[in-house]
Amino acid sequence: AQSVSQHNHHVILSEAASLELGCNYSYGGTVNLFWYVQYPGQHLQLLLKYFSGDPLVKGIKGFEAEFIKSKFSFNLRKPSVQWSDTAEYFCAVNAYNNNDMRFGAGTRLTVKP
Amino acid sequence: DAGVTQSPTHLIKTRGQQVTLRCSPKSGHDTVSWYQQALGQGPQFIFQYYEEEERQRGNFPDRFSGHQFPNYSSELNVNALLLGDSALYLCASSPGLAGLQETQYFGPGTRLLVL
Repeated sequence: AQSVSQHNHHVILSEAASLELGCNYSYGGTVNLFWYVQYPGQHLQLLLKYFSGDPLVKGIKGFEAEFIKSKFSFNLRKPSVQWSDTAEYFCAVNAYNNNDMRFGAGTRLTVKP
Repeated sequence: DAGVTQSPTHLIKTRGQQVTLRCSPKSGHDTVSWYQQALGQGPQFIFQYYEEEERQRGNFPDRFSGHQFPNYSSELNVNALLLGDSALYLCASSPGLAGLQETQYFGPGTRLLVL
């Protein structure tokens, strides 16, 4: 069965710092990869997704993620975080032709002004 | 344009009871998925409904069942409630063609407490 691991439970950064949130999955076949974000008081929403093609994916609000197949990873990055990036970030994996969608446990990001 | 709506927002039940949660998808969406999110965890996929049929199902027992209506709204039913069913139940909608590969739009959730 597929699983998703997010390395950090809680990350605290100052504004303008660079961000990298780790995500690893366990599944040997073709996968579809997602990052969802939940801002305080709001619903889960899509940040970015990877299905195929260029392994570097750009999403909303300056976020990007890189799919590294050999490492089973899909890490989320942002060069300079803002206070408004404070949120919980979830990595999710859908194995192609698989009847399941797996989310990681989430990483809470706190950005200090 | 209304997003995904869910009702009720909160619910308290006792062990052994049955509960029904409701979801209305985003306008233009015909697929509804249900997730269970325990405290401190990510959402866990329960099942997905498309064209009034259960199309995909995660690793949940038969106590969890659902229904989709012709207007695409959906219900999640849980029978014989256990304490461990206490969680936030999320509904997500998407356009139907590609199942779980589609971007999902989440509702605010129903928080269920089982005593």
